[in-house]
Amino acid sequence: ETGVTQSPTHLIKTRGQQVTLRCSSQSGHNTVSWYQQALGQGPQFIFQYYREEENGRGNFPPRFSGLQFPNYSSELNVNALELDDSALYLCASSSEAEKLFFGSGTQLSVL
Amino acid sequence: AQSVAQPEDQVNVAEGNPLTVKCTYSVSGNPYLFWYVQYPNRGLQFLLKYITGDNLVKGSYGFEAEFNKSQTSFHLKKPSALVSDSALYFCAVRDWGGATNKLIFGTGTLLAVQP
Repeated sequence: ETGVTQSPTHLIKTRGQQVTLRCSSQSGHNTVSWYQQALGQGPQFIFQYYREEENGRGNFPPRFSGLQFPNYSSELNVNALELDDSALYLCASSSEAEKLFFGSGTQLSVL
Repeated sequence: AQSVAQPEDQVNVAEGNPLTVKCTYSVSGNPYLFWYVQYPNRGLQFLLKYITGDNLVKGSYGFEAEFNKSQTSFHLKKPSALVSDSALYFCAVRDWGGATNKLIFGTGTLLAVQP
């Protein structure tokens, strides 16, 4: 186990709704990244937070937003859900550059 | 732009035989390369990384990877496969234009080890 926990494990939403996914990072890790993994694909980088500031973003629209809290836990918010947002959302924390510890993910289904 | 390609969707190998999972890369600048493994209903687990130095990198669970600059490859290898190695394997490269943890992943290779 990596020590990175995500909640919920599964979620079903309808198109147009909003969703919040949560991540508790491994103890001592101050950097959190979020990835989207569509079925049959590799993970795609959404954004990264370091000490509560976003410091890197992938090719995702502004309706994907996040937060990092003083205890380094994090949230991913997605507004105006679309069918294509259905995917496994992975949170990863790190204290060493590029060595990521992933959680088990949240499986989001948008109907 | 950085990218990696995993040409095989699936690799089948008998237990005890050596295994190779292929990865080629395309980068501008020095490549930082990684292998991750994903078991069913689990997140990705770090196996190993290449940044600089020895072209043969040793990682977790007996895996190793060989960096070949002339062939732009970073193949994952293991001398003797175990049934428990069956999983989805991802090659990745760091995107230098992004954040420190922005990795570009391949599409994955499913490794099936038969008893």
